[in-house]
Amino acid sequence: DAGVIQSPRHEVTEMGQEVTLRCKPISGHDYLFWYRQTMMRGLELLIYFNNNVPIDDSGMPEDRFSAKMPNASFSTLKIQPSEPRDSAVYFCASSFSFGVNTGELFFGEGSRLTVL
Amino acid sequence: SQQGEEDPQALSIQEGENATMNCSYKTSINNLQWYRQNSGRGLVHLILIRSNEREKHSGRLRVTLDTSKKSSSLLITASRAADTASYFCATDARAQGGKLIFGQGTELSVKP
Repeated sequence: DAGVIQSPRHEVTEMGQEVTLRCKPISGHDYLFWYRQTMMRGLELLIYFNNNVPIDDSGMPEDRFSAKMPNASFSTLKIQPSEPRDSAVYFCASSFSFGVNTGELFFGEGSRLTVL
Repeated sequence: SQQGEEDPQALSIQEGENATMNCSYKTSINNLQWYRQNSGRGLVHLILIRSNEREKHSGRLRVTLDTSKKSSSLLITASRAADTASYFCATDARAQGGKLIFGQGTELSVKP
């Protein structure tokens, strides 16, 4: 398996622009997670899905952020409008087990976002 | 707030030495996991230890868990330059419904 695939790897945009990050989880994994990593705040869980349904979006910073999972092999994280403080590395991860005794997460290589 | 806190924040050792990293957490857990992150890359799972386990080994890695002290340690024996990376503990806290909460990480540098 190719692992979790994220695109783009790097994105530089200007404040106010819309940003869309993409993720293809590992086939057969029922859970998909979006994390954000910054020096100041470390790794933060933004949202996770189970069988394409958003379960917990309490980590999404504000309404400018939205995430979708239209099918089992694709998810997007959208920021509209983007702001400089959104600059971070965004990771997608997938897993086949969650809940009592959450199992291993498989991470993508991340999307490094810079908002000027 | 962070569930897991690693100590030290940074560690520099010579190749061949052992490296020990510690993780403390605040609430009851189902399990605790350790991940490695090479610079500019995604996180890679190293080892998982369940709350009813005290010690686990995987190759040159040894993980201990003390639930009474709410702490865990990761020992890397006979370190290599390729072990240079950041190491994170992640807790599956019962109060969090299974969500993995990551600590801030320990940055390990192994000098050849």
